[in-house]
Amino acid sequence: GESVGLHLPTLSVQEGDNSIINCAYSNSASDYFIWYKQESGKGPQFIIDIRSNMDKRQGQRVTVLLNKTVKHLSLQIAATQPGDSAVYFCAECVYGNNRLAFGKGNQVVVIP
Amino acid sequence: DAGVTQSPTHLIKTRGQQVTLRCSPKSGHDTVSWYQQALGQGPQFIFQYYEEEERQRGNFPDRFSGHQFPNYSSELNVNALLLGDSALYLCASSLRGGPANEKLFFGSGTQLSVL
Repeated sequence: GESVGLHLPTLSVQEGDNSIINCAYSNSASDYFIWYKQESGKGPQFIIDIRSNMDKRQGQRVTVLLNKTVKHLSLQIAATQPGDSAVYFCAECVYGNNRLAFGKGNQVVVIP
Repeated sequence: DAGVTQSPTHLIKTRGQQVTLRCSPKSGHDTVSWYQQALGQGPQFIFQYYEEEERQRGNFPDRFSGHQFPNYSSELNVNALLLGDSALYLCASSLRGGPANEKLFFGSGTQLSVL
């Protein structure tokens, strides 16, 4: 289930189950959105991106959904694995600008 | 092919001191951005360097300054350190004018502790 930790919302998920992480973005001018994964002691690692002319994009085991009407972004991870345990951030920007605005992170804990 | 490298990995300073952090971009990249990540928060954009000039700046005071060298490497300087400057400082590189889907690559960061 989901719980709010001291710093980050935390999603605990059983290994093999699907995970869904949500993000609300703030800037209506943003037209490019990225999900990053950050493991302890490391910098953010690119997972998947989507431009505003799309509402869904799939990668390997990951899917990003974009709802521009309510400025909402989600990341779905299929068949979650222990290596997926990390903090996940969404980020927004104007395409080509590369000045990213990050949302609040979500901690994902995979239970073996 | 080395990714983005940052040095040092950890640093301890006292209030009022000055600090310099260093970043080497990914091979082939010419643009460097710096981000500050406080504990439990997402990274916050500080500034971006391209062609040895500051091109964009976030909401950070003038105590934060930077430099980019002809080899595209970059430094972040912070003067008159405050306790609130304690954070992970991330460098990210990209290729300006590169492929439309060129992505930012992040280094592992420098963990700065101000005592």
